[in-house]
Amino acid sequence: EDKVVQSPLSLVVHEGDTVTLNCSYEVTNFRSLLWYKQEKKAPTFLFMLTSSGIEKKSGRLSSILDKKELFSILNITATQTGDSAVYLCAVLLGGATNKLIFGTGTLLAVQP
Amino acid sequence: ETGVTQTPRHLVMGMTNKKSLKCEQHLGHNAMYWYKQSAKKPLELMFVYNFKEQTENNSVPSRFSPECPNSSHLFLHLHTLQPEDSALYLCASSQSLSYEQYFGPGTRLTVT
Repeated sequence: EDKVVQSPLSLVVHEGDTVTLNCSYEVTNFRSLLWYKQEKKAPTFLFMLTSSGIEKKSGRLSSILDKKELFSILNITATQTGDSAVYLCAVLLGGATNKLIFGTGTLLAVQP
Repeated sequence: ETGVTQTPRHLVMGMTNKKSLKCEQHLGHNAMYWYKQSAKKPLELMFVYNFKEQTENNSVPSRFSPECPNSSHLFLHLHTLQPEDSALYLCASSQSLSYEQYFGPGTRLTVT
């Protein structure tokens, strides 16, 4: 069964801290891995990773994929209260399915 | 604003009612999706449409009936729902099946 596991389930930090969120996966036909941020309703797209070892960066957020060890990390530096959200990891399957399999998410709370 | 809109944003319905959820994307995408998000569970794919054709039905009960009249619009027709169907229903679209998905704000459905 295809699965995506995120850790930790929740995390509380103070503004200015650096956090690392983890995502591991076991799937039959991997195409790419995606990160989303969900604050209230709509998950908003952050990154799509297809190749191992190539860091993607957007401001204070960065992410990297390891296809050998089957995991990805999302780093947030100099956290702000606006970073508080649920961060979702998902794996896009290839082949005929093209399904997006989501993890349960990591709830990040950034305190002032 | 992701370019994907959903209406209504909130819906309360009885188990004998018939209602429809609407999704519209203004991104020129060719693929559209319905997801269900229940409390403390991962986002769960329900249906996938690619160029108006259904390519995935993730074992969804027949009381949920999707309709995709064109690549910009997606509906989810609901009838004789159960209280356990109460959840956030999210619509998403993507340029094609192998690209990142952009989500709408969701419809919060409560079945009484």
